[in-house]
Amino acid sequence: QQPVQSPQAVILREGEDAVINCSSSKALYSVHWYRQKHGEAPVFLMILLKGGEQKGHEKISASFNEKKQQSSLYLTASQLSYSGTYFCGTNSGGYQKVTFGTGTKLQVIP
Amino acid sequence: EAGVVQSPRYKIIEKKQPVAFWCNPISGHNTLYWYRQNLGQGPELLIRYENEEAVDDSQLPKDRFSAERLKGVDSTLKIQPAELGDSAVYLCASSLSMTNTEAFFGQGTRLTVV
Repeated sequence: QQPVQSPQAVILREGEDAVINCSSSKALYSVHWYRQKHGEAPVFLMILLKGGEQKGHEKISASFNEKKQQSSLYLTASQLSYSGTYFCGTNSGGYQKVTFGTGTKLQVIP
Repeated sequence: EAGVVQSPRYKIIEKKQPVAFWCNPISGHNTLYWYRQNLGQGPELLIRYENEEAVDDSQLPKDRFSAERLKGVDSTLKIQPAELGDSAVYLCASSLSMTNTEAFFGQGTRLTVV
């Protein structure tokens, strides 16, 4: 089952914050976040394992609420380089495949 | 260190013709994935290899798609015959193992079937 991401698209001005949500109808073991710029390959941001662990990557961090089967990606003080489509990928067990959501298109403008 | 290398980058073919995509993963990565990405969608897994063994090919349309990973390194994905609906970007990715590790993606092959 494909995870659902929201919002589908967002436009930010440089320096603004954003939150991207990812939710699943299945119990989750891990959540994976990737960013893909237009015409390029997806690039790994972070993996969160069940246990509600919050991780950070420069000014991008994420949380994982196992009980709610949700993850959120937080972008703080956005930069132009943050523009792209963000995908969450979920899996329900260590050896199971990762299923990607439909993506959230983020555009940061000056 | 070289990343995941795919070729060709672009391919235009007529429907009913065959096409093949090649992928060279990062050295030492045991797990290799083929994904299909339609416009505006997330990557969809077609097949996953652990070394030379296909461990998940449930999403591979086996009537027309085939894949192989000889010697557990390079991999080839083939479509025969291609249909209009196969137009998409085909991404190859690799990771150290199957269990919750970072996947590195190649640049992809953009296939257009006319």
